[in-house]
Amino acid sequence: AQKITQTQPGMFVQEKEAVTLDCTYDTSDPSYGLFWYKQPSSGEMIFLIYQGSYDQQNATEGRYSLNFQKARKSANLVISASQLGDSAMYFCAMRENNAGNMLTFGGGTRLMVKP
Amino acid sequence: ETGVTQTPRHLVMGMTNKKSLKCEQHLGHNAMYWYKQSAKKPLELMFVYNFKEQTENNSVPSRFSPECPNSSHLFLHLHTLQPEDSALYLCASSLRDRDYEQYFGPGTRLTVT
Repeated sequence: AQKITQTQPGMFVQEKEAVTLDCTYDTSDPSYGLFWYKQPSSGEMIFLIYQGSYDQQNATEGRYSLNFQKARKSANLVISASQLGDSAMYFCAMRENNAGNMLTFGGGTRLMVKP
Repeated sequence: ETGVTQTPRHLVMGMTNKKSLKCEQHLGHNAMYWYKQSAKKPLELMFVYNFKEQTENNSVPSRFSPECPNSSHLFLHLHTLQPEDSALYLCASSLRDRDYEQYFGPGTRLTVT
């Protein structure tokens, strides 16, 4: 079974608008972490934001926020005030406490920002 | 500029060749990772090294052989690869106790002919 599911293979958003990228996960480990990475066309993966399973508040980093709904096992990424440079692939990932350093990635969502 | 560099950026090799991918990190990290990114599959972790010791081998075929001579350098030695091994190979590094914050290199685009 898929541990990380990103159901949106591609999305468009108008510049300056907000966009939500979906991510659902599956784990029986009570302790885990959720991450979002951005991969521009140049190929490198850029760490954006992290949410721990025991964190009480949703994580925020600048224009990025993580909408963590534990009961629904979802960890959606919200990008506010989209910029043209936000066009990239976005990957959701999970690290389960009993899996050591292993990150499991979703299939990614390609975001395209329209001017 | 990223603190993790990878060479070469592109590599084309035949199935009988032997080649090596190199990764170097300048961030003072002590954990390093190899990932494989194929066109039609999610990003897959291949190997993890903590303090130069391999701690994860995610069922990778033996035609991929990692080497970590020190905490700043990581190699992936390739031999007798198959066309399905064509992919983007990404290296990452982190602090061992902050492994959720991994910094990735630009990747090596490998094509096996």
